[in-house]
Amino acid sequence: QKEVEQNSGPLSVPEGAIASLNCTYSDRGSQSFFWYRQYSGKSPELIMFIYSNGDKEDGRFTAQLNKASQYVSLLIRDSQPSDSATYLCAVKSLGGADGLTFGKGTHLIIQP
Amino acid sequence: GAVVSQHPSRVICKSGTSVKIECRSLDFQATTMFWYRQFPKQSLMLMATSNEGSKATYEQGVEKDKFLINHASLTLSTLTVTSAHPEDSSFYICSARDVSTYGSPLHFGNGTRLTVT
Repeated sequence: QKEVEQNSGPLSVPEGAIASLNCTYSDRGSQSFFWYRQYSGKSPELIMFIYSNGDKEDGRFTAQLNKASQYVSLLIRDSQPSDSATYLCAVKSLGGADGLTFGKGTHLIIQP
Repeated sequence: GAVVSQHPSRVICKSGTSVKIECRSLDFQATTMFWYRQFPKQSLMLMATSNEGSKATYEQGVEKDKFLINHASLTLSTLTVTSAHPEDSSFYICSARDVSTYGSPLHFGNGTRLTVT
């Protein structure tokens, strides 16, 4: 059973600070890792994806991947109240189904 | 960016009726689309993989005769919930894989909130 684990939160971060979201996965064969943002009542929106160990930066967002430890994280710099949402970690395995395995998401609250 | 359009966004129907949900990729071709269901405060659960020109692949526990999927073209997949019951009330979301973009990311439609009374 492939699993993706996230702390459900809520994670409360003051405005302007760095929000750090973590995700672990069980399938060592996983190849692609995605972060989605989901506002309440809305569908997920792709933020970024990562394949290689290390950091990948896109604007205020940085994804970090460590395959040896089987974790992937998302850092949000200069957090804004509009960043308040549920962040879903998703994992795709090589040779598996074409779909993704999603974590349950971390509810992030940015306090003004 | 890539856009996936899903319609309707909200539907209320009576128990026993059927509901059709459409999913369109607007600016890219999608040979594969995916249908998810999400209950309140739960994660997305993959229901089925929709393949253009062939039968859909259903996840374990999903009734293929209840959730009919048709992928008639490279830009359109439909999900029909047949003989809907209150327990089918949920948030249904489609997604499409953009293989023209490196990494082939999934893009989601806006979802359909189904309420069966």
